[in-house]
Amino acid sequence: DIVMTQSPDSLAVSLGETATINCKSSQSILYNSNNQNYLAWYQQKPGQPPKLIIYWAAFRGSGVPDRFSGGGSGTDFTLTISSLQAEDVAVYYCQQYYDPPYSFGQGTKLEIK
Amino acid sequence: QITLKESGPTLVKPTQTLTLTCTFSGFSLSSTEVGVGWIRQPPGKALEWLALIYYNGNKFFSTPLKSRLTITKDTSKNQVVLTMTNMDPVDTATYYCAHQGFNSGWYPFDYWGQGTLVTVSS
Repeated sequence: DIVMTQSPDSLAVSLGETATINCKSSQSILYNSNNQNYLAWYQQKPGQPPKLIIYWAAFRGSGVPDRFSGGGSGTDFTLTISSLQAEDVAVYYCQQYYDPPYSFGQGTKLEIK
Repeated sequence: QITLKESGPTLVKPTQTLTLTCTFSGFSLSSTEVGVGWIRQPPGKALEWLALIYYNGNKFFSTPLKSRLTITKDTSKNQVVLTMTNMDPVDTATYYCAHQGFNSGWYPFDYWGQGTLVTVSS
């Protein structure tokens, strides 16, 4: 099974600044047939289901602001949130959907400093 | 418009079998490339992927839970059913079902139900 490891576990960033969350997979999740990394990022606020914000490592989900961006390839990925807003406070999860079981990272809690 | 909704008991006793139903609309599990998965989240803890069934009947399960899980689909009712045997208090969690779509490649879970909290207690 592929293991997903996020860092840090928690992060405090000032409003207007940039937050960066890392995710590492235990093996490559780059799908050669379409040259896409099968890596997703989700945002979860208290009492709500997760919301897809990034898919294929770098594509923003529907309606997601462009201050959210994803990068990386192979086994190392990042989620960057620029110009941090108060509504971005949440727990963020990465997930690989390259090979089932489609494992999640342990989550990163983002707070305002 | 794609929607999913989980239903089932809110309280089960240890050793009992849990049966959860995901009722969905806005897509079909009979022909188009689509999947429906189950994910759970213990209170205050991380998401845990449980199981997935695809339009073609292929099924996949969490490795540590594989022996306890069953997933089936009823395309006429637009439902996916998850059963988990031998429930234990550590299985207390919010259980979500979610849609996985396809467009030039598989997407992750792009639509989620609101989740249902299942408590395991005697």
